[in-house]
Amino acid sequence: AQSVTQPDIHITVSEGASLELRCNYSYGATPYLFWYVQSPGQGLQLLLKYFSGDTLVQGIKGFEAEFKRSQSSFNLRKPSVHWSDAAEYFCAVAPGGGSNYKLTFGKGTLLTVNP
Amino acid sequence: GAGVSQSPRYKVAKRGQDVALRCDPISGHVSLFWYQQALGQGPEFLTYFQNEAQLDKSGLPSDRFFAERPEGSVSTLKIQRTQQEDSAVYLCASSHRTVASGEQYFGPGTRLTVT
Repeated sequence: AQSVTQPDIHITVSEGASLELRCNYSYGATPYLFWYVQSPGQGLQLLLKYFSGDTLVQGIKGFEAEFKRSQSSFNLRKPSVHWSDAAEYFCAVAPGGGSNYKLTFGKGTLLTVNP
Repeated sequence: GAGVSQSPRYKVAKRGQDVALRCDPISGHVSLFWYQQALGQGPEFLTYFQNEAQLDKSGLPSDRFFAERPEGSVSTLKIQRTQQEDSAVYLCASSHRTVASGEQYFGPGTRLTVT
């Protein structure tokens, strides 16, 4: 079965600084990969997804992620963080094949943005 | 347009009570998913519907959990004889497609507290 590890439980950055959130996955083949953001009282919102092709994926709100097969990683980046980016971020994977709807989430990384 | 809505937003139940949680997906969305999110954890898959058919219920933790979507639209997650370990946020998501490439749109969740 697939699994996802987000090594950082909580990250604090200053507004305007760059951001990288780490995600490692375990899966026998290339999975489908996702990053979601969850703000307090809000539902999860999809930031970006990777299925195949170009390993650098652009998403909404200025986020991007890079798939590195050799490292089983799919790290999320943003060059300049805004205060409104403070939220919890979840990496998720889905297997290829018939069960590709079944998302497995990491435990999340809570992002705090200092003014 | 309206997103995924869930009701109630908060539910407190005494141990042993039955509860019913409702999900209204986005109109026309074929796929519907339920997830359980315990405190400090990522969401965990419970079950998947394609229209009215429950195609995957592998994530339901016990036979006390039951989900239905009789007309292929609104869904209800029922928990019988609630236990303290059932305390969690229950998330519903819907998608217009039946494969992972269809984005899952999440509702705000129902926070269940079992006392």
